[in-house]
Amino acid sequence: ETGVTQTPRHLVMGMTNKKSLKCEQHLGHNAMYWYKQSAKKPLELMFVYNFKEQTENNSVPSRFSPECPNSSHLFLHLHTLQPEDSALYLCASSQVPGEEKLFFGSGTQLSVL
Amino acid sequence: QKEVEQDPGPLSVPEGAIVSLNCTYSNSAFQYFMWYRQYSRKGPELLMYTYSSGNKEDGRFTAQVDKSSKYISLFIRDSQPSDSATYLCAFQETSGSRLTFGEGTQLTVNP
Repeated sequence: ETGVTQTPRHLVMGMTNKKSLKCEQHLGHNAMYWYKQSAKKPLELMFVYNFKEQTENNSVPSRFSPECPNSSHLFLHLHTLQPEDSALYLCASSQVPGEEKLFFGSGTQLSVL
Repeated sequence: QKEVEQDPGPLSVPEGAIVSLNCTYSNSAFQYFMWYRQYSRKGPELLMYTYSSGNKEDGRFTAQVDKSSKYISLFIRDSQPSDSATYLCAFQETSGSRLTFGEGTQLTVNP
């Protein structure tokens, strides 16, 4: 498997559920990112990890909790979400943080009921 | 005022048409300019990257930057149905800083 893989592709959850999104990159990159993509809005950076250390948290609510156990894996743990959190969540990686060339996964389409 | 303005479309053109996609920006600190392409149900992929005013060509694609007018464009010549996607402009102040994206323009090229 190559590139950036995200699972699941689709997720429906209630506001009281706890779920996790998974991302794995097979590119040997050192930086990983979570982005949120909502309809009619620009891509919104959520978190940045460099060598599995979090280097940026873009004022994301605590109901989103990232975890980066190693440079190849990234998780986004979700709990007590709101309907407005429904969006496409994209994972990306780059060789180093801040590179212009990001490699994105296909995303997890999240619906919060 | 939004930092980046991009017409969301949708834009529909016949095959073979020349397509012009545009973004304006207000942040004079932007020094790097990119276009990403996002196919349906996929993540974005980097299409073009430039850091100077003027034109940069890659096959049927030309990226144009006008820093004085704070305006960038992506031209697609001889458009193909396979060009149907959403095109996102993106900007960066310095190498290593975060990217700022436009909302994306949805393009459909009809056979």
